[in-house]
Amino acid sequence: EADIYQTPRYLVIGTGKKITLECSQTMGHDKMYWYQQDPGMELHLIHYSYGVNSTEKGDLSSESTVSRIRTEHFPLTLESARPSHTSQYLCASSETRTAYNEQFFGPGTRLTVL
Amino acid sequence: GDSVTQMEGPVTLSEEAFLTINCTYTATGYPSLFWYVQYPGEGLQLLLKATKADDKGSNKGFEATYRKETTSFHLEKGSVQVSDSAVYFCALSGPNTGNQFYFGTGTSLTVIP
Repeated sequence: EADIYQTPRYLVIGTGKKITLECSQTMGHDKMYWYQQDPGMELHLIHYSYGVNSTEKGDLSSESTVSRIRTEHFPLTLESARPSHTSQYLCASSETRTAYNEQFFGPGTRLTVL
Repeated sequence: GDSVTQMEGPVTLSEEAFLTINCTYTATGYPSLFWYVQYPGEGLQLLLKATKADDKGSNKGFEATYRKETTSFHLEKGSVQVSDSAVYFCALSGPNTGNQFYFGTGTSLTVIP
């Protein structure tokens, strides 16, 4: 059973606020990812990590930042939220040892910035 | 570079109809191929996968065969149910993708009673 958690599930916040979206997994996976999903459903990779103290930017430029201090935890932070940040954010993880790198996804956080 | 091209939606079918969602890929080497499903308000779940040519992935009545000659991985189900209404994503990952996934744009399926 894949266990990857995201909190909050829904967040409505005003412009200019700092927010942190939490993502945790209990599978011991070394790789973790953040995707932004637009209303047209397409997924865009915004950040990924190959392990503790490793973070990289993805294909879609994002004003958010991430950290990976513990293997199981990969939070995403927006220092100053704007309406353009309104989206669904999905966290995922995978392990290196499998040949095909199946990704396991959390339930997502739907963020609305007013 | 590596990529996935997925049939555009939305797709609307009557219950018990046959479903095909087309997916073709471009990749160097030999990627693994996946179908994920996303139900409303949820994250993505792995539906099925295939790791080499001619492999057939199957789950919950869905099937897809890894066709290297046509670079395709079409999703099929013989008789859809209302509960199959969701968004379906084709994806690939392989040794030449830096272990990252390339997702298709998603196909929304609605099954009506």
